[in-house]
Amino acid sequence: GESVGLHLPTLSVQEGDNSIINCAYSNSASDYFIWYKQESGKGPQFIIDIRSNMDKRQGQRVTVLLNKTVKHLSLQIAATQPGDSAVYFCAEAIIQGAQKLVFGQGTRLTINP
Amino acid sequence: DAGVIQSPRHEVTEMGQEVTLRCKPISGHNSLFWYRQTMMRGLELLIYFNNNVPIDDSGMPEDRFSAKMPNASFSTLKIQPSEPRDSAVYFCASSKYTPTVNTEAFFGQGTRLTVV
Repeated sequence: GESVGLHLPTLSVQEGDNSIINCAYSNSASDYFIWYKQESGKGPQFIIDIRSNMDKRQGQRVTVLLNKTVKHLSLQIAATQPGDSAVYFCAEAIIQGAQKLVFGQGTRLTINP
Repeated sequence: DAGVIQSPRHEVTEMGQEVTLRCKPISGHNSLFWYRQTMMRGLELLIYFNNNVPIDDSGMPEDRFSAKMPNASFSTLKIQPSEPRDSAVYFCASSKYTPTVNTEAFFGQGTRLTVV
């Protein structure tokens, strides 16, 4: 798939454990942040988003934290499952005529049985 | 809705040939993005459109690359002439943008381009 072979930071966790994936963004004017999951052979899929006026948002088994002071974003996945194995990208949306969506490097998450 | 539809899924072409990648965004979406994904550079934004108008093409690597969006339901990314270093997976994504509402972009399955 597209993400196989990427020289990415890698995080390995045991099935059932919690995982935290981190992301640093660059533009303090970013208005909106999104986490995507990319499985092998597929396009990125939306997981959760957060607006710049929030510092935390929760979804099903996932939580996103935003620290604007240090321009840091994290994705927490609770009770990881084998299906969580994928590459995770953070993206920042910058309003520039329309919404420009720029992606970070990505982190490969591997779930060990 | 069938989601964002890209064609072809795979393309193998010889260096110097013209390549055209196609994208049909989700109906009702007004923003369309073209990305390139490679091992070295990750997901790069090439160009994006809003209401069929190109807003930012600063990510387009060279004049060999061009993109068009003649109507709200179709966009093309063309490479002419193609080179081996253009080999990558090209993604199209669409979203519904308004100044007051942020929405996520939905991605197609990608076109894997190999230039030999």
